[in-house]
Amino acid sequence: DIQMTQSPSSLSASVGDRVTITCRASQSISSYLNWYQQRPGKAPKLLIYPASSLQSGVPSRFSGSGSGTDFTLTISSLQPEDFATYYCQQSYTIPRTFGQGTKLEIK
Amino acid sequence: EVQLVQSGAEVRKPGESLRIACETSGYSFSNYWITWVRQTPEKGLEWMGRIDPRDSHTNYGPSFQGHVTISADKSITTAYLQWNSLKATDTAMYFCARSHSGSYDYWGQGTLVTVSS
Repeated sequence: DIQMTQSPSSLSASVGDRVTITCRASQSISSYLNWYQQRPGKAPKLLIYPASSLQSGVPSRFSGSGSGTDFTLTISSLQPEDFATYYCQQSYTIPRTFGQGTKLEIK
Repeated sequence: EVQLVQSGAEVRKPGESLRIACETSGYSFSNYWITWVRQTPEKGLEWMGRIDPRDSHTNYGPSFQGHVTISADKSITTAYLQWNSLKATDTAMYFCARSHSGSYDYWGQGTLVTVSS
């Protein structure tokens, strides 16, 4: 299985900050990387697929980049509703695998 | 409007069987795989497996192969996740999701399964 490793595991930031979350795959996955946001008690929500395309309805302050093994999710200016947990997921091969999550908290 | 609505929370004893449902609407059921994902605080999100509703072809993650069964009924556009013998370690939140080119664009609200003696 391909292992997905996110860093950091948690992050404190303030409204208006620029934040970057990293996801690394244990082998090359080309651009087959998706990003999700999950708020407490809710299902994950697709933000970015694959690697850099913004899902419909997702604010443009979210962006994704990368290919091969290293990927980033950037939030250009944090809003109060962005404080949540973020997950990456590879769609290169079966079984699909997720990162362990990055919890974004208010400083 | 695309919707995936999951069945309600369940409490079972170890060794019991269970089937949970994911009822879909608002799109052509046969055109998109349905995936099941387990979430626990310890392991986070885990990909359990998926089904192609056109022909019920399935793939399972290695940790779940042989322990769960994924099925679908095209006539009622519903997917299922089933256990024949639950374990305490199956206690988790379970999500179904629609697969779109390998990503999951619509999700059910989740079904909490508690297995306890």
